[in-house]
Amino acid sequence: SQQGEEDPQALSIQEGENATMNCSYKTSINNLQWYRQNSGRGLVHLILIRSNEREKHSGRLRVTLDTSKKSSSLLITASRAADTASYFCATDAFAGAGSYQLTFGKGTKLSVIP
Amino acid sequence: EAQVTQNPRYLITVTGKKLTVTCSQNMNHEYMSWYRQDPGLGLRQIYYSMNVEVTDKGDVPEGYKVSRKEKRNFPLILESPSPNQTSLYFCASSLRLGATGYTFGSGTRLTVV
Repeated sequence: SQQGEEDPQALSIQEGENATMNCSYKTSINNLQWYRQNSGRGLVHLILIRSNEREKHSGRLRVTLDTSKKSSSLLITASRAADTASYFCATDAFAGAGSYQLTFGKGTKLSVIP
Repeated sequence: EAQVTQNPRYLITVTGKKLTVTCSQNMNHEYMSWYRQDPGLGLRQIYYSMNVEVTDKGDVPEGYKVSRKEKRNFPLILESPSPNQTSLYFCASSLRLGATGYTFGSGTRLTVV
């Protein structure tokens, strides 16, 4: 089941600008994670925000979480050409019997133009 | 180096010929999972394992099998591959279920003709 939905599907910006990607989800979560994927390669974990947290920073990344609206955003500040990639949000939710399931959205394709 | 290793990286096979994609992690992670990635559909979970000898179905388990005989290995088995299993496959592992991020392998691009 597809839990997270990213918006926009694609985003093109100039180097140095900020990039904002949004994620909405449907059910209660344990945490929400953001990943980056360069074309055809493995996903790289960027940041995890727990359901009781509202904001988290890591370098040029800022993630917010609003559990009342079931939404999250990823902000990349001062973007670089190397940030060009697809970005996925993934919701970690209880799946019964002591298990959690990580469910991914379809991603936002970010292009940073030098 | 801490990593998840998948093999092979690329595979072309014919319909019905059994194949295994291997996955191994060197981080002593308890949780391992398989995903497939298809254009327009994103990543979908196939199977996951919470620990040795404990496996469970994800969202798209049909046509796949897994086993977890050792903590480090989690092979994906396609007993009788079909063209609709042509996809990019990823193995992932996590230290603590529900608490830490996942480490992904580099992927296996499978083509079934």
